[in-house]
Formats: sequence, structure tokens, C-alpha cells
Amino acid sequence: NAGVTQTPKFRVLKTGQSMTLLCAQDMNHEYMYWYRQDPGMGLRLIHYSVGEGTTAKGEVPDGYNVSRLKKQNFLLGLESAAPSQTSVYFCAAREGLGELFFGEGSRLTVL
Amino acid sequence: AQSVTQPDIHITVSEGASLELRCNYSYGATPYLFWYVQSPGQGLQLLLKYFSGDTLVQGIKGFEAEFKRSQSSFNLRKPSVHWSDAAEYFCAVGPMNYGGSQGNLIFGKGTKLSVKP
Repeated sequence: NAGVTQTPKFRVLKTGQSMTLLCAQDMNHEYMYWYRQDPGMGLRLIHYSVGEGTTAKGEVPDGYNVSRLKKQNFLLGLESAAPSQTSVYFCAAREGLGELFFGEGSRLTVL
Repeated sequence: AQSVTQPDIHITVSEGASLELRCNYSYGATPYLFWYVQSPGQGLQLLLKYFSGDTLVQGIKGFEAEFKRSQSSFNLRKPSVHWSDAAEYFCAVGPMNYGGSQGNLIFGKGTKLSVKP
């Protein structure tokens, strides 16, 4: 009964390092999303995917890349981390126009 | 421009008191409407949603929300707040069809609820 699982849950990076956040869902939903959450800013959409092999930019895509090679997985990459990317990242999955199912979040700190 | 406004950043209520969290939206057509709750260190959980029909919708944990088209509002209410309701609450809107946005939801900035004993 996992739903949406994010790994890792915590990570500390130095400026310029790269990393990948993994999102896995077991609900067979077509749509997947990556958001970032910052104090007072709510949730902002980074990238999203409407199906296996497809990705699209959201509101704040700069500095991030994504891939959806398998339907159940949605990867978020940071090629060269910056302190401005310190945030909590949430993955979500959705079927059609229904509700979003969220993971528990990944807290990233960039020093 | 499409937007969601939650006017109250932080609200404090006493346990047992009633609660109303405000949500106003600006959207080109009648949207789908959602309320999510986020407990500290957790992801977001759906409280309730409005798609069509009765404008008063019931959700989990004793919450309800009323869609008022004329006021572009979707306020969240609870008659009697419990200490465990302390959390952050997010209102979200989405389109009734996919269009160019692929059905993406727009979130408000959230209202943090504190509950006094």
C-alpha cells in the first residue's frame, strides 16, 4: 500500500554537485509531477509527465531535468546544485483529472 | 491569470472552536477544487474535492467546504477543531479539461493552523 515513494528523504549537497531524486508509484497512474515547496511560496511545479517517455516544463524548471523511462518512475535531476535549490521536493501521481497522490517529500540542502 | 489566494497565512483557534479557512480563485472557467492538508514533515493528503453537483462537499476528518461560484470561493470549515488538526492547509484548483496545461493544479500558498488547548 505504498502509493508514491520518494528516495532519498534527506540529502545534503555542496554547490556544484549533482544528484537524482527518484519517485516511484505503484498505482499505475499516467501523470506524474515534481514540485518544490518553500516557506511562504506554497507548491511550485517543476516538471511533469503525462506518460512514459514524455516530460514537460512546469512553472520553475530551470536547473532541473527529468526523465520518465518507465511508467512507474519519475526522476528529478540536479546537474549542478545551487543554494537556491535548497527546498523540500514532492513527487505526485494522478490519474486523469482526479486528485494528486503525494509522496512524503525529499528535503535537500545545498551548501 | 489563473491564481489561488489563501488570505490568511496563519490562524490560531482554540480547541473545540469552529474553523473557517478562506480560498479564493481566479480561473477562466469553472474549475475542479481541492483542499489538501499537510502535517509537519509529511506529504499532502486530500481532505475533499469538488467536481460538480452539490456545492457543499464533505471530506475526511469532519471537514466540509462550500463552493460559491458568484464569489469564486471554496472555503473550508470544521465545526469543532481538535488539537490534531494543527497543520498546514492548501487550496488547489484545476481545469475540467486537459487543454494546454495538461490538467495541472494551481496551489495557494497555504494557511498554517495552530490549535490552542
